Amino acid sequence: DAGVIQSPRHEVTEMGQEVTLRCKPISGHNSLFWYRQTMMRGLELLIYFNNNVPIDDSGMPEDRFSAKMPNASFSTLKIQPSEPRDSAVYFCASTIITGTNTEAFFGQGTRLTVV
Amino acid sequence: DAKTTQPNSMESNEEEPVHLPCNHSTISGTDYIHWYRQLPSQGPEYVIHGLTSNVNNRMASLAIAEDRKSSTLILHRATLRDAAVYYCILCYYNQGGKLIFGQGTELSVKP
Repeated sequence: DAGVIQSPRHEVTEMGQEVTLRCKPISGHNSLFWYRQTMMRGLELLIYFNNNVPIDDSGMPEDRFSAKMPNASFSTLKIQPSEPRDSAVYFCASTIITGTNTEAFFGQGTRLTVV
Repeated sequence: DAKTTQPNSMESNEEEPVHLPCNHSTISGTDYIHWYRQLPSQGPEYVIHGLTSNVNNRMASLAIAEDRKSSTLILHRATLRDAAVYYCILCYYNQGGKLIFGQGTELSVKP
């Protein structure tokens, strides 16, 4: 498996534009997480899905952010409209929840710059 | 959510052992202790995890206190490639396995 795949790796956009980040989890994993990392706030959990269903979106900063997981192999994080303070690295991670404890695998991240 | 406390930074010499401490005094009985590390410009990667007993794998060892209120990640022989931010995290498996990251310990390794 190629691991968790995120696209694009880098995104530069103007304030007010819509941004869509994409994630392909590892095949067979049933939980998916979106994180945001900034120097000021570190790694923040935005939302996570279990079996394609959003379980906890309390970390989503505001209504401008939305996430979907239409099937087990794809998820999107959308920001509309984007603002300069949304500039960060966004990570997607996936894991499989079984009776035992297992590791989460992270993608390489999408570096978003909003100018 | 139970929190963890780690030193902000530590230094080590290459090929020497490193002991990275973590306090988690409010841990609950079902929380697993996970360690991840993040190399520069990369996503976090799993290092090791445990519940009550000490654990070893090819990357590191995890020593868990008997009362589970603290743990120590042990790198037996640090290399320059081990320079990273190390995160100690309590994993909530009754909440879909979500990982809440703290600030971590930035480990620097000197040649």
